[in-house]
Amino acid sequence: AQSVTQLDSHVSVSEGTPVLLRCNYSSSYSPSLFWYVQHPNKGLQLLLKYTSAATLVKGINGFEAEFKKSETSFHLTKPSAHMSDAAEYFCVVSGTNSGYSTLTFGKGTMLLVSP
Amino acid sequence: DTGVSQDPRHKITKRGQNVTFRCDPISEHNRLYWYRQTLGQGPEFLTYFQNEAQLEKSRLLSDRFSAERPKGSFSTLEIQRTEQGDSAMYLCASSLTRGGGLVYEQYFGPGTRLTVT
Repeated sequence: AQSVTQLDSHVSVSEGTPVLLRCNYSSSYSPSLFWYVQHPNKGLQLLLKYTSAATLVKGINGFEAEFKKSETSFHLTKPSAHMSDAAEYFCVVSGTNSGYSTLTFGKGTMLLVSP
Repeated sequence: DTGVSQDPRHKITKRGQNVTFRCDPISEHNRLYWYRQTLGQGPEFLTYFQNEAQLEKSRLLSDRFSAERPKGSFSTLEIQRTEQGDSAMYLCASSLTRGGGLVYEQYFGPGTRLTVT
């Protein structure tokens, strides 16, 4: 079984300040981990993915995440927030079982960016 | 490549009616997934296909739900005798998978928002 816990339902930052969205995971297998972003009235977009290569993963739009196995965490960060980053962010775990794979989503973190 | 498309984008129906949604995946993708997303929650897996074969179904997929992918291209999701609890966003995703346990990212469509009155 696998699960994801996003520790904050809402995060508020000012434009130009750092962003930290926290995620802890649980998986019976070697997990693949993803962050997706969902802007209002738009589809889910992949930000970045971890698939057992480098533990620090760089994604689009300046986001990055670090896989820490000892802490079972996969936090998303960005050095400087932009107004266009305001959206809902989902941490996602995928495990393989007999060759099949499905995604398990967290409940999401709404990022609010103020001027 | 136009991405994953879904039709309709919005559907309002009365309780007890049947509804059908369509998903067109990215053309070369062999896997197609259906998810359901309710307000304030992340998407929840419903079912997925590899080519035309339905390989896995979630326990969320009650007997009133049926999904098909007859020619391994587009897919339909039908809900019979809709209930108010079926109101949600239904998301479709596709991926290209070549086996060997490798996980490829899923590309999502814009979703179909269902409202059951």
